[in-house]
Amino acid sequence: AQKITQTQPGMFVQEKEAVTLDCTYDTSDPSYGLFWYKQPSSGEMIFLIYQGSYDQQNATEGRYSLNFQKARKSANLVISASQLGDSAMYFCAMREGSGNQFYFGTGTSLTVIP
Amino acid sequence: NAGVTQTPKFQVLKTGQSMTLQCAQDMNHEYMSWYRQDPGMGLRLIHYSVGAGITDQGEVPNGYNVSRSTTEDFPLRLLSAAPSQTSVYFCASSPTGTGLYYNEQFFGPGTRLTVL
Repeated sequence: AQKITQTQPGMFVQEKEAVTLDCTYDTSDPSYGLFWYKQPSSGEMIFLIYQGSYDQQNATEGRYSLNFQKARKSANLVISASQLGDSAMYFCAMREGSGNQFYFGTGTSLTVIP
Repeated sequence: NAGVTQTPKFQVLKTGQSMTLQCAQDMNHEYMSWYRQDPGMGLRLIHYSVGAGITDQGEVPNGYNVSRSTTEDFPLRLLSAAPSQTSVYFCASSPTGTGLYYNEQFFGPGTRLTVL
């Protein structure tokens, strides 16, 4: 089974609107971390936000927030007030406490429309 | 700190040639890894290391070798390049250890490899 699933290959959002990028994960480890990365067209991988399995509150970093629903094993990224510069690929990733590897989803391509 | 550096940035090889992609980090991270990125397939783990002298295979290790003689360096060797190895390669590093799963990976800028 896939450890990380991103079911939206491509998404469009109007500038200044909010958008949610979906991510579900699969693990039996009680300790894990969930990460979101942004990859603009220039190619670099940019770390956005982190959520720990024991965190009681959803993580937020500026316009990025993580909608963490532990029972549903989902960790959706919410981008508020979208900007043209948000157009990029977005990857969800997980690291289990019992291991070292990071598991990545296949990514979601976000296009912000002016 | 330079973070994670990769060389070269671009490379064109002919089928059957060998080469080494270099990766170095100056953050004293024990965990280092190599990924390849292909359209629609996300990042696939090739090999990883949890410290000097310790390496292990990832999801797609065939055709690649690694070694880790120092904490800083983690080179990836293509033994006999094939067109199927045309891809973008990323090196990444992270702290590791019990309870350190909350640390993100730091990525290098990537190497774009074309095998003709």
